[in-house]
Amino acid sequence: DAKTTQPPSMDCAEGRAANLPCNHSTISGNEYVYWYRQIHSQGPQYIIHGLKNNETNEMASLIITEDRKSSTLILPHATLRDTAVYYCIVRRSYNFNKFYFGSGTKLNVKP
Amino acid sequence: DVKVTQSSRYLVKRTGEKVFLECVQDMDHENMFWYRQDPGLGLRLIYFSYDVKMKEKGDIPEGYSVSREKKERFSLILESASTNQTSMYLCASSTIGGAGVTDTQYFGPGTRLTVL
Repeated sequence: DAKTTQPPSMDCAEGRAANLPCNHSTISGNEYVYWYRQIHSQGPQYIIHGLKNNETNEMASLIITEDRKSSTLILPHATLRDTAVYYCIVRRSYNFNKFYFGSGTKLNVKP
Repeated sequence: DVKVTQSSRYLVKRTGEKVFLECVQDMDHENMFWYRQDPGLGLRLIYFSYDVKMKEKGDIPEGYSVSREKKERFSLILESASTNQTSMYLCASSTIGGAGVTDTQYFGPGTRLTVL
């Protein structure tokens, strides 16, 4: 599975959009991009995933570049409750393929 | 919404005790997983199960066993708890992945176990 690179931390003002980048330059054609987040002392929470096209759900939007070498998770209106560590994971989807959670990006949403 | 629940959020046990951690999922998922999470080490897979009564070792199975008697329930057992098993334990479940089907894992809230 491809390796990902994320900034260790980011700040965002409450009510503004939070844009979290992820680089995955070695991604292969059948690998998905997943995003999870982990609020302090809780289990990881699934946010969104995508293969090639941009995706949107009730939590966030995922923008994948045309060459698929990078992606951006967008939280359109960040709240204090969005303060968490965000993990970008690239992996093929087949049974028992593990999810490797790296260091992620600590997003600090400030009032 | 997928829901994965774990029997306890916090647990304190003594060295040598037998410890049971239970996990229940309500999405009829085939696969269930147990991880532990420690600072600087990320999530490490202990055991997983792809069907009732079936189990497979993950990366760090030593000192643990599991039981899956019903599809929705997956138990992690520490036969004789030790201080190095103090950790956050996370359960997850997923459907079967494959061509065109993603096996997104959904996690429970976690159990923070302290072994004294």
